[in-house]
This record gives sequence, C-alpha cells and structure tokens, in this order.
Amino acid sequence: EVQLLESGGGLVQPGGSPRLSCAASGFTFSSYAMSWVRQAPGKGLEWVSTINYSGGTTYYADSVKGRFTISRSNSKNTLYLQMNSLRAEDTAVYYCAKDFDYYDSSGYHTRPFEYWGQGTLVTVSS
Amino acid sequence: DIQMTQSPSSLSASVGDRVTITCRASQGIRNDLGWYQQKPGKAPKRLIYAASSLQSGVPSRFSGSGSGTEFTLTISSLQPEDFATYYCLQYNSYPWTFGQGTKVEIK
Repeated sequence: EVQLLESGGGLVQPGGSPRLSCAASGFTFSSYAMSWVRQAPGKGLEWVSTINYSGGTTYYADSVKGRFTISRSNSKNTLYLQMNSLRAEDTAVYYCAKDFDYYDSSGYHTRPFEYWGQGTLVTVSS
Repeated sequence: DIQMTQSPSSLSASVGDRVTITCRASQGIRNDLGWYQQKPGKAPKRLIYAASSLQSGVPSRFSGSGSGTEFTLTISSLQPEDFATYYCLQYNSYPWTFGQGTKVEIK
C-alpha cells in the first residue's frame, strides 16, 4: 500500500524558512517523479513543484521559483520542500504526491498525482 | 501558461442524476488531463488520467472524455458519496495548472 506522510508544517513567521518532508513507502520511491501541491484555506489546488526520479530535474511554479527548493533522498525514501522567504500568501495545506511516469518507444510520459499524502498545514503569520 | 476554465463552479443535483463537468484549456493539450475529487478536510483523489482512463478502484459511473481543448467528466448516476469538489488538471506543459473546481452539492 502506497503511503505518503508529510511533516514539518506549523506556524511560521513571515520570512521564515521551514522544510517540509514527505516519507514514502509501499512503492519503489527511486523510480518515480514526486510533486508538491498546495491549497490555501478555502481555495483551489495549486501545483507547486515536481522533481524527477533521480533529483536531477526540477520544475517550479512562478509563485515559488527562487524561494522554494524541492529535493529528494532516494536512500531515505523521502521528499523535501525547502521553503524560504515565506509570505502570508504561502499559507496553505501542502500535499506531497506520487507521480506515475514512464518511458516507452514513444518517449517519456507522466500521469501526475497518482497518490497523495494527507497534507501538512503551513501558516505564515507574525 | 495554459489556463484551465472549469464549469460550472458549483451545481446542485440529486442522487441518481447524471452530472457533467467541463474543462476548457486555453490551448491544445492533447489528452494530458486528469480529474480529481476532493472531500472536505481530505486529500484529493485521482479519478481519471489521460482524459479518459479510469483510475484503478474508481467506480465505473465516473467517465472522462475529450481531447485538445475541451474535456468533460461525467458521473452517470450520482451517489451520496460523490458530493465533493472536482478539479481538472492539465499536465501537457509546465506550469501544470488546475481548473478552479466544481462543487457538487445535494439538491
């Protein structure tokens, strides 16, 4: 059974730099891309960042580019999100999600957000 | 960036009704579209990927269709457990973008 367990959320002051973690189990973590998605209170879903299976390729939403860094430890089966220079508008539940991606004769394919964690709330406030 | 316009933003329906939700992409995205269901206080759950492929374990009353710029999610016979918010997601190109959501409420 796939399990994704986020941690690291809480109350953070503006400008703070928390690191979120997502412990993965139930699948071969090192074989799949992983993502972070967030949801501000009462709002819709927003894709934040994606990292490929090896950690060598990363993508970011413009809203977090230059402030957030996604990374992974395949030896620890853990995904991370380093968040810097936090603003009030970064207040949200942050979900980690497993992507389903693969290569075939026609190239690379992805099917995002196959499984989700339960989320961790980050509140940015003084 | 590709914009996803989802409609309606909310709807009221009765158990047994057929429900259709639409997403329109601002440019062609082939079939790189997923549908997600979210219940209050819970993480989203994937229903459909590649526009029309049913996620394993999802009831067959859910179906997706479309390609290019127009996509639909259909619930053939609404059940009590289907009252939730539904989101489309395009993953044709970064940044991946969600529709704004459709809240399905009990009539």
